[in-house]
Amino acid sequence: ETGVTQSPTHLIKTRGQQVTLRCSSQSGHNTVSWYQQALGQGPQFIFQYYREEENGRGNFPPRFSGLQFPNYSSELNVNALELDDSALYLCASSTSGEQYFGPGTRLTVT
Amino acid sequence: DQQVKQNSPSLSVQEGRISILNCDYTNSMFDYFLWYKKYPAEGPTFLISISSIKDKNEDGRFTVFLNKSAKHLSLHIVPSQPGDSAVYFCAASPRRDGGSQGNLIFGKGTKLSVKP
Repeated sequence: ETGVTQSPTHLIKTRGQQVTLRCSSQSGHNTVSWYQQALGQGPQFIFQYYREEENGRGNFPPRFSGLQFPNYSSELNVNALELDDSALYLCASSTSGEQYFGPGTRLTVT
Repeated sequence: DQQVKQNSPSLSVQEGRISILNCDYTNSMFDYFLWYKKYPAEGPTFLISISSIKDKNEDGRFTVFLNKSAKHLSLHIVPSQPGDSAVYFCAASPRRDGGSQGNLIFGKGTKLSVKP
């Protein structure tokens, strides 16, 4: 177990709605990265937060946004949900060295 | 275009034998490579990594080999155990600090089945 937790575990939303996913990083880790894993694919980088600032972003539209809080926990927000947003959303925390992943949130958009 | 490729979607190995998982990459700027293991309903778990300045890194039953000229790396598991059955992801980072301050680029994964 990595000490990285995510909530909720599963979520079902309707197209056009908005969703917020949460991540608590491992103690002492100041960096959180978010990934989207579609079925049959590897995780794809969405963005990363370091000490409450965005520190890099992948090829995702602006309707994917995030926050990091002073305790280094983080949120991923997705607006105007589309069917293709259905995926496993993973967060990973790190300080230096390897990234440690949480169990993920399974989002289904209908 | 996939920058990290795992061309074998699945691999089946007998318990006690060697498992060899392969990974190819296209971007010569990658400086750090990692292997993650993923069980169903869990997040990826870090397994082993290698810096581009090395060609081999060993940790118990797991060894990663890097061939920079061929842009190829492999993970060897010896001896394979039924508990090793999982999906294995190869990942690459352009950063030497192990990707902690940057994004990881993953392959699609190889599902390893180790039969008793």
